[in-house]
Amino acid sequence: AQTVTQSQPEMSVQEAETVTLSCTYDTSENNYYLFWYKQPPSRQMILVIRQEAYKQQNATENRFSVNFQKAAKSFSLKISDSQLGDTAMYFCASAGPNYGGSQGNLIFGKGTKLSVKP
Amino acid sequence: KAGVTQTPRYLIKTRGQQVTLSCSPISGHRSVSWYQQTPGQGLQFLFEYFSETQRNKGNFPGRFSGRQFSNSRSEMNVSTLELGDSALYLCASSEGQGRVNTEAFFGQGTRLTVV
Repeated sequence: AQTVTQSQPEMSVQEAETVTLSCTYDTSENNYYLFWYKQPPSRQMILVIRQEAYKQQNATENRFSVNFQKAAKSFSLKISDSQLGDTAMYFCASAGPNYGGSQGNLIFGKGTKLSVKP
Repeated sequence: KAGVTQTPRYLIKTRGQQVTLSCSPISGHRSVSWYQQTPGQGLQFLFEYFSETQRNKGNFPGRFSGRQFSNSRSEMNVSTLELGDSALYLCASSEGQGRVNTEAFFGQGTRLTVV
């Protein structure tokens, strides 16, 4: 069974600085997908970034990038130039090789509450 | 394109009652997944429907059930409500068939309080 662990319940960062959120996972699959979702106070989960395990290159989306260490089963999220609007819960999630096809469920970590301070 | 719509947004029920939550996916999406979010357990997968068939199920008791209609709208039902069922219930829709870049889009959830 897949598991996802986020060891930092809360973090804070000053506006314009960089912060890294940690995530480790466990899976017996050779191929799988990893995600970071953001949940602001409005409660709507928003996809921040995704990584396919067979791709060695780390995914990047504007100010968001990941450090994917497959052997260590680590998938951290780096937010550069933090903005007040980045304040939210951040969830790391994984999905199996059939994600998007015959299997559509995500396994989530417990989340990290990020506060960006002015 | 309209997003995922969940109704109602808030609900208060009494122990022992039953409740039905609704989710309208993005137009063209055929997969609907349901998740329960609580402070203690976090986000847990309930079930997934694709083309009116349940194709995945999480580890929840039989009191939790769902269905999907031909227009892909989905309902989730919880019978004999318990205090521990108080949670935010999130629905996610996706295309659901074999696209590598598929993305799950979430609704804003239904906040259920059982008293």
